[in-house]
Amino acid sequence: GAVVSQHPSRVICKSGTSVKIECRSLDFQATTMFWYRQFPKQSLMLMATSNEGSKATYEQGVEKDKFLINHASLTLSTLTVTSAHPEDSSFYICSARSSLRETQYFGPGTRLLVL
Amino acid sequence: AQSVAQPEDQVNVAEGNPLTVKCTYSVSGNPYLFWYVQYPNRGLQFLLKYITGDNLVKGSYGFEAEFNKSQTSFHLKKPSALVSDSALYFCAVRANSISSGSARQLTFGSGTQLTVLP
Repeated sequence: GAVVSQHPSRVICKSGTSVKIECRSLDFQATTMFWYRQFPKQSLMLMATSNEGSKATYEQGVEKDKFLINHASLTLSTLTVTSAHPEDSSFYICSARSSLRETQYFGPGTRLLVL
Repeated sequence: AQSVAQPEDQVNVAEGNPLTVKCTYSVSGNPYLFWYVQYPNRGLQFLLKYITGDNLVKGSYGFEAEFNKSQTSFHLKKPSALVSDSALYFCAVRANSISSGSARQLTFGSGTQLTVLP
């Protein structure tokens, strides 16, 4: 299957700082990328969908000014958590899909801990 | 709106026995159905999908799933479970490609924790 990488895998930061998470599709062109958040023992919650070269579409209740998403190329999307607070601590997972495939492939996830 | 139900939060099975993880769905039109597996602190790994064609789909690691349109189900099965199969399993659905907007997004079930006992 296709490979999606995420970096970093784990990050600890102080409250008020910003954190950037990168998501890369390594062997295919991702026309659409998705960012999810997952709480312990729960399912994935879609935060936003982004298409290459256009603004991300955010789900209801997700603050676009807090969770900045950039999808500047067909292989890279970034999620920046601005002015992070402890309640932003979570497991963030990206996913990518190409226009040629029906399957979404997922990155390994990033564990964010805000102190 | 599309939805997925995984009625069992937890499934326990002895190693070597067959396993079934249940999934039912609701979607407008024809569904695309997926199973993913998640190991602790990891992302989701794709197991198998149903798009069209044969109702019995074979996937990775010996898993298979049967699409049943009349029962709107897509149960995951494996003839002989391994301890290493212990993980969290997610069923997901989305509408077919001619749909647009939110219907093309994956909707996940709540997940089923599979524990295979040695």
